[in-house]
Amino acid sequence: GAVVSQHPSWVICKSGTSVKIECRSLDFQATTMFWYRQFPKQSLMLMATSNEGSKATYEQGVEKDKFLINHASLTLSTLTVTSAHPEDSSFYICSARQDRGPNEQYFGPGTRLTVT
Amino acid sequence: GNSVTQMEGPVTLSEEAFLTINCTYTATGYPSLFWYVQYPGEGLQLLLKATKADDKGSNKGFEATYRKETTSFHLEKGSVQVSDSAVYFCALSAGGWGKLQFGAGTQVVVTP
Repeated sequence: GAVVSQHPSWVICKSGTSVKIECRSLDFQATTMFWYRQFPKQSLMLMATSNEGSKATYEQGVEKDKFLINHASLTLSTLTVTSAHPEDSSFYICSARQDRGPNEQYFGPGTRLTVT
Repeated sequence: GNSVTQMEGPVTLSEEAFLTINCTYTATGYPSLFWYVQYPGEGLQLLLKATKADDKGSNKGFEATYRKETTSFHLEKGSVQVSDSAVYFCALSAGGWGKLQFGAGTQVVVTP
């Protein structure tokens, strides 16, 4: 149980285009999901907290107009990287927190974004 | 602000050796502490956690004790296996929403 999926697992896009990444909790409801960015050989950096039915809360230094987050249902949050540039290339990871039970976060496998 | 510091890797060990990964934290209040593991090509998985001082978290032979006096949460395993090769992240959660603050991660390589 407690599986989180991400789609796509990897994507290559051209500079200036937008890319949408999906995060789904497959067998539980998650009012709260989190989006992280992981640079090579570095830790995870929290980008934003996504709450179903309301606006996301972004961490300091994260451009909300560039990284659009939508949490339209209790099992789906999306991250859209708008007008992507090579410096946006990274590994994006989501996590979902169970509404019921131990209240732990479960992590998706990540999405590798490469902007050319 | 809150922060987590863990020892740099990679840590290379032989099978059946003893593993310690140091983790110290800075936080206001009383955070919960976690160890996550990331196996190659997979997402992070919760390995163990402790929610208050002197709690010991344990799982799969790994242990860590929440030491408030030294603000530490060191991870230990008495006898590692090749399958323990992974990146280990120490993390804390303080305040609402359960936001996690991660350390830099420590890569562990266990050789046969």
